[in-house]
Amino acid sequence: EAGVAQSPRYKIIEKRQSVAFWCNPISGHATLYWYQQILGQGPKLLIQFQNNGVVDDSQLPKDRFSAERLKGVDSTLKIQPAKLEDSAVYLCASSLELRQQETQYFGPGTRLLVL
Amino acid sequence: AQSVTQLGSHVSVSEGALVLLRCNYSSSVPPYLFWYVQYPNQGLQLLLKYTSAATLVKGINGFEAEFKKSETSFHLTKPSAHMSDAAEYFCAVSPWNAGNKLTFGGGTRVLVKP
Repeated sequence: EAGVAQSPRYKIIEKRQSVAFWCNPISGHATLYWYQQILGQGPKLLIQFQNNGVVDDSQLPKDRFSAERLKGVDSTLKIQPAKLEDSAVYLCASSLELRQQETQYFGPGTRLLVL
Repeated sequence: AQSVTQLGSHVSVSEGALVLLRCNYSSSVPPYLFWYVQYPNQGLQLLLKYTSAATLVKGINGFEAEFKKSETSFHLTKPSAHMSDAAEYFCAVSPWNAGNKLTFGGGTRVLVKP
């Protein structure tokens, strides 16, 4: 079974530029998550989708971050404009359902460096 | 709000020695608890999870964790460390009514010495 795919794996941009990350979850997984992992910290949930609807985006900085999952499968996370403090690894995860305790499967992440 | 504290950002153990990673949570109601491992340049992989069925939980790669409600702890152990256990380990909590949202601790990096 293929895992969660993410691209690109690495991205370097200058501050104030825009950037987009792509995630393809495990086939059949209804729930998709985006996490931000700053160096030396644990991942922090940014947004959670159930199919193509947003379940929770309370920790997403909406003035610069946006995310979509239009067809309930792939998802895109965008940052515009980027700031230095956005340098982090962006992890995508998926789970079969939104049910409590459902195991989340993580992709390898996209490492972003903002200069 | 839920929080998770992992004591020790770095742990060094000798190959064959006991691995003990500490995790404490803050919650008036016991949440669901998880341990994940992250190898370099990889995503997180689930080691084990506590779902209230049993207080001693066995996971993959010889790891286990014990839920102690009185101590609000969920420490991870492995009797004998292997070189391949070198990685970063994260404890996470999910409140029972939070729709499967995880809050992670800061992580503990394990170094295994030959």
